[in-house]
Amino acid sequence: SAVISQKPSRDICQRGTSLTIQCQVDSQVTMMFWYRQQPGQSLTLIATANQGSEATYESGFVIDKFPISRPNLTFSTLTVSNMSPEDSSIYLCSVDPGQGATEAFFGQGTRLTVV
Amino acid sequence: RKEVEQDPGPFNVPEGATVAFNCTYSNSASQSFFWYRQDCRKEPKLLMSVYSSGNEDGRFTAQLNRASQYISLLIRDSKLSDSATYLCALGGGSQGNLIFGKGTKLSVKP
Repeated sequence: SAVISQKPSRDICQRGTSLTIQCQVDSQVTMMFWYRQQPGQSLTLIATANQGSEATYESGFVIDKFPISRPNLTFSTLTVSNMSPEDSSIYLCSVDPGQGATEAFFGQGTRLTVV
Repeated sequence: RKEVEQDPGPFNVPEGATVAFNCTYSNSASQSFFWYRQDCRKEPKLLMSVYSSGNEDGRFTAQLNRASQYISLLIRDSKLSDSATYLCALGGGSQGNLIFGKGTKLSVKP
């Protein structure tokens, strides 16, 4: 398994501002994903963070709203831009360690509240 | 049909009870299946993978029925500490990601 550190763990932000969430892994991983989990809902994939190229977004998510960086194989950031109360959610980074493993491991999550 | 559907829950059971969760899926090409446990305000953590032949880990048994396209999780001798939300997940997302169900909340009472 991989050890994943995600921060901040929680934040309360004013609408219209932006928040950047960081995800650090203790080993190099090929696949890093960002998910959103709204209250009472399942995890929804936002995008795959690609090292050295633009992230691949799922339908309904766009780069202007959720810019993602992946400068190397151990680190990624997700920014939630121009926030509104509808962005209040838990944001989770996830990795697939590769090497034949197909299960996913998660960071501790970021609980975001937009007021 | 949604990609992954789980029993609605919540399940409220006494200690020592046996409880079973089911999860149906629509993508017959899915090759990997998992059960995750998520405690309140925590991230999901892998509970167990689900293999075609079925697999057991202590009090937990997972099974896969490809013909009917569902996976199940059986918990025997429930403990208070089993109280959590159980998410099923399967491989086959468009980006190599896992697809998750909404989860079933289990509450084990004394």
